[in-house]
Amino acid sequence: QKEVEQDPGPLSVPEGAIVSLNCTYSNSAFQYFMWYRQYSRKGPELLMYTYSSGNKEDGRFTAQVDKSSKYISLFIRDSQPSDSATYLCAMSGEANSKLTFGKGITLSVRP
Amino acid sequence: DGGITQSPKYLFRKEGQNVTLSCEQNLNHDAMYWYRQDPGQGLRLIYYSQIVNDFQKGDIAEGYSVSREKKESFPLTVTSAQKNPTAFYLCASSIDGQTLYNEQFFGPGTRLTVL
Repeated sequence: QKEVEQDPGPLSVPEGAIVSLNCTYSNSAFQYFMWYRQYSRKGPELLMYTYSSGNKEDGRFTAQVDKSSKYISLFIRDSQPSDSATYLCAMSGEANSKLTFGKGITLSVRP
Repeated sequence: DGGITQSPKYLFRKEGQNVTLSCEQNLNHDAMYWYRQDPGQGLRLIYYSQIVNDFQKGDIAEGYSVSREKKESFPLTVTSAQKNPTAFYLCASSIDGQTLYNEQFFGPGTRLTVL
């Protein structure tokens, strides 16, 4: 079993839809959970990060962590064509700040 | 403007040749990282450096080498021993490599193609 599993996609939704992106993990040492957004042919940029379990909201984006289930989610409300990108989950929490990434899911929001 | 630069943006290499990818940061970060990204594979860590003159292997270091002679520079050499080097290479940096969490900032990437 891989340390971090992410739904493979791709995912295509109409503009205005609510999007749910998910990752599961197996390493109980993970404490920090991140979502990166990567536009085509660009480097990833940090979208949100969460420490331990709970929810965090930033505008149209909500990150949710359930450590008991080893499951994290990113919700996008009122999705826009500009949200079309690859979304990568990442986690850390062992001895240093090395990150373990999911494979990424490509989202397309249709106008 | 502070940030991470990678050069070149596109690189073509013949089989059997070594090639060096450049990564420079002016964020005054101690830690730097090299990742490889393949379609459907996510990011995989090649090497990382927590401080000048020190670096550690990541998950897929075979066929790669690095140096960290200056705080702002962390070049990656893809050697002829790397069996499948065609990929998108990303460099990143963070304030330090010791704290459990520090945001990693990424450069724009170099796309390497072996002909």
